[in-house]
Amino acid sequence: NAGVTQTPKFQVLKTGQSMTLQCAQDMNHNSMYWYRQDPGMGLRLIYYSASEGTTDKGEVPNGYNVSRLNKREFSLRLESAAPSQTSVYFCASVRVLDNSPLHFGNGTRLTVT
Amino acid sequence: DQQVKQNSPSLSVQEGRISILNCDYTNSMFDYFLWYKKYPAEGPTFLISISSIKDKNEDGRFTVFLNKSAKHLSLHIVPSQPGDSAVYFCAASARDNYGQNFVFGPGTRLSVLP
Repeated sequence: NAGVTQTPKFQVLKTGQSMTLQCAQDMNHNSMYWYRQDPGMGLRLIYYSASEGTTDKGEVPNGYNVSRLNKREFSLRLESAAPSQTSVYFCASVRVLDNSPLHFGNGTRLTVT
Repeated sequence: DQQVKQNSPSLSVQEGRISILNCDYTNSMFDYFLWYKKYPAEGPTFLISISSIKDKNEDGRFTVFLNKSAKHLSLHIVPSQPGDSAVYFCAASARDNYGQNFVFGPGTRLSVLP
């Protein structure tokens, strides 16, 4: 049981380049989330998808787009990367039927130069 | 303004002693609270949680206390072990029309000294 899988693990981009971060979960969870972690800031929500076919902005959505491709997969796209997007990105999922915890992937470390 | 605060960026404790990590929240709509542990180069892993209808939840060496009137929760680790050294995130959750929202604090780095 893989849980939440993120690819790639590491990426270096030049300013202005684009890329897509991939996330897939095999736990049949309804909701999926993208967070970024920066020193002293904790985990801040970028976008989330409450269920297949829906997406909503979180606390820090500017510069990002998302796609909930199906129930399993939720991707995060940077159309024109900026140095301020250097961060560690975490995907998470949860079964939203009762009080259940978020399950996280192992993260993608992105550096934008 | 931060809805979930962890005012101690770091904490050092001797092995075998108690570690107490604190967390405060501002939104009274939060009804489910969680603690996560994070090692370097890994994702956060779920540790323990508590519903707002309870004031205490135990799981082995880990106990979470909730004081709703003070909007405060704490994580107690007894006895602390060197393997507990990690960053601990407090999180609070509420449901809204769009689903379940999870808000995280900035984290506390715990160092357990042998």
